[in-house]
Amino acid sequence: DGGITQSPKYLFRKEGQNVTLSCEQNLNHDAMYWYRQDPGQGLRLIYYSQIVNDFQKGDIAEGYSVSREKKESFPLTVTSAQKNPTAFYLCASHTRPGEKLFFGSGTQLSVL
Amino acid sequence: SQQGEEDPQALSIQEGENATMNCSYKTSINNLQWYRQNSGRGLVHLILIRSNEREKHSGRLRVTLDTSKKSSSLLITASRAADTASYFCATDGAGGFKTIFGAGTRLFVKA
Repeated sequence: DGGITQSPKYLFRKEGQNVTLSCEQNLNHDAMYWYRQDPGQGLRLIYYSQIVNDFQKGDIAEGYSVSREKKESFPLTVTSAQKNPTAFYLCASHTRPGEKLFFGSGTQLSVL
Repeated sequence: SQQGEEDPQALSIQEGENATMNCSYKTSINNLQWYRQNSGRGLVHLILIRSNEREKHSGRLRVTLDTSKKSSSLLITASRAADTASYFCATDGAGGFKTIFGAGTRLFVKA
């Protein structure tokens, strides 16, 4: 079945540590997104990528980094510069601008 | 920045009743979408309405769009306990590559 796979489902970060969240899709979508969701809140855009080897900052990119070396993969690194990383992270993709987004099941990141 | 704002923030109803959620947005759009999220899960797309459409139906869902008022509503008819979830509206911006979500409405349907 086609879809988006996020891993791990739960992740713990120690202070000063960088951690990487994985997002893989087999939907052949060009555009991919990372959103952050805090408890009881909506989704805030971290980074997005329209095509391979290209990505743009969203509204809350500070303390995060991404890469897009392959069409299928869009990993997100939460760096030590992100002082409040505890949140639910969602990856998404779509076929064309403005069309429906397909979401992964999310990664819950917590700080030890 | 959040383009869409949902109202109410939370809604509690009895099974069988209708649930109406509203969304307002700030700038011109091409499409408006509604998504559903069960607790701790990813979002699931419900319906997309284009700027030249005024109403759209999908099963028990009815979405309206008023571009002059920059607002949309989602109606769930004959609600069920399984409809308990958060519902988000989302709009496109910057050529559609930035899909921007509102804060959501948390719906609780009591059996």
